[in-house]
This record gives sequence, structure tokens and C-alpha cells, in this order.
Amino acid sequence: DTEVTQTPKHLVMGMTNKKSLKCEQHMGHRAMYWYKQKAKKPPELMFVYSYEKLSINESVPSRFSPECPNSSLLNLHLHALQPEDSALYLCASSHPGVNTEAFFGQGTRLTVV
Amino acid sequence: GESVGLHLPTLSVQEGDNSIINCAYSNSASDYFIWYKQESGKGPQFIIDIRSNMDKRQGQRVTVLLNKTVKHLSLQIAATQPGDSAVYFCAEKGSNDYKLSFGAGTTVTVRA
Repeated sequence: DTEVTQTPKHLVMGMTNKKSLKCEQHMGHRAMYWYKQKAKKPPELMFVYSYEKLSINESVPSRFSPECPNSSLLNLHLHALQPEDSALYLCASSHPGVNTEAFFGQGTRLTVV
Repeated sequence: GESVGLHLPTLSVQEGDNSIINCAYSNSASDYFIWYKQESGKGPQFIIDIRSNMDKRQGQRVTVLLNKTVKHLSLQIAATQPGDSAVYFCAEKGSNDYKLSFGAGTTVTVRA
């Protein structure tokens, strides 16, 4: 199984809503990532978890709250988002270490209205 | 084949020709490099990687070249096919962290 599964595929939420994005992998990877990708731009790193602990936060606003409940799951909790937060949110995982590729999910297309 | 010396945001290539996609990276401490392909509506898909102690690596129809002196990476696709139409990103990782940073991307369009 070399898949990273993200749910939902599409999400529309209002600015006062609370929602969560979910990511799951069963490759035994102990590093998991959240990226944000705007149209026609490269993915931008948001958070990295290593062995279920947050190791990198790229100065992401607190309205995005990551959570890693176990080694297979990664969540991104959303609250009070702005329309400019609309984007494709990508989850990825890899073995910890430098020379290891990251496998990406198909992403959640988020629209904030 | 089609080739460019500098990074260009778009590349149009005739089916059957070879493609060369270029990427400049900024961090001289980067140790590991990956090329990803992203099709419309999908997440990035791993194509090929290369470590900083190598200057060339070949896969199936793809070759990655690394020039550390000028901090340049290229991806060569042989006999480009319609299914190769996508956005191609290079990505780099530092020597002591998990941070994978992406370049600007090149949109490849294959002409029949």
C-alpha cells in the first residue's frame, strides 16, 4: 500500500465554520506533512510531524491547527478561515531522514465562502 | 528535442521529442532532490530522486542531472508522450531536517 488518503476531496465552508481535514497512510512512515497549494503555484509547507510530534510550523496562522493522533493519521483543524485560505491542501508522508521521498495524497480542495 | 537553459514556466514539446526541464535551487546545503509530476486535480507524484553525491541518475525514460557548482537540476524526458503533459516541480531537502521545499514548476504541454 503506497497510498496517502485524504478526506474529504472537496470542502466548502463558511468563515464561521469549524471543519477538519483528514489524512491517513499505512506505509509505516513516521514523518507526515501538510502543504497548501494555490492555483498555478508550488506547494508551500505548513507543518511537519515527526514521530507524532510537531517538528516544523512554518509560521502558519492559528486558525489552522494540526493534530497527529497516531503514526497513521494526520488532521488539520480549521476555524474562522478567510476566503484567501481557499486552496488545495495536500498531505504527504515519508520515512524520517533526509534521503527519503515524500508521498502525497490527492489533496482536499477547500473553498471558504 | 526541446531544451531550455533557464527555468521557464511553460514548455511545449512535440510528441516523440525529448524534453528538458530546468530548475535552479538556492540552498547550497541541500542534500537531496526530487522531481515530482502533478496532473490536474491530483497530488504531486514522485518521478525520480538524486542525492547530492551523484551528478546523474536514470529511470525509465527519465534522467535527472545535478550540477552542484551552479546549483542547477534538470529533468530529461525521452520520447515525450501525451501522458507526460503535467506540471513538473523540483524539490529539495536540507541535510538535517524534514523540510521539503518546492521550486516554481514548469507546465509541460505535449503537441500531437
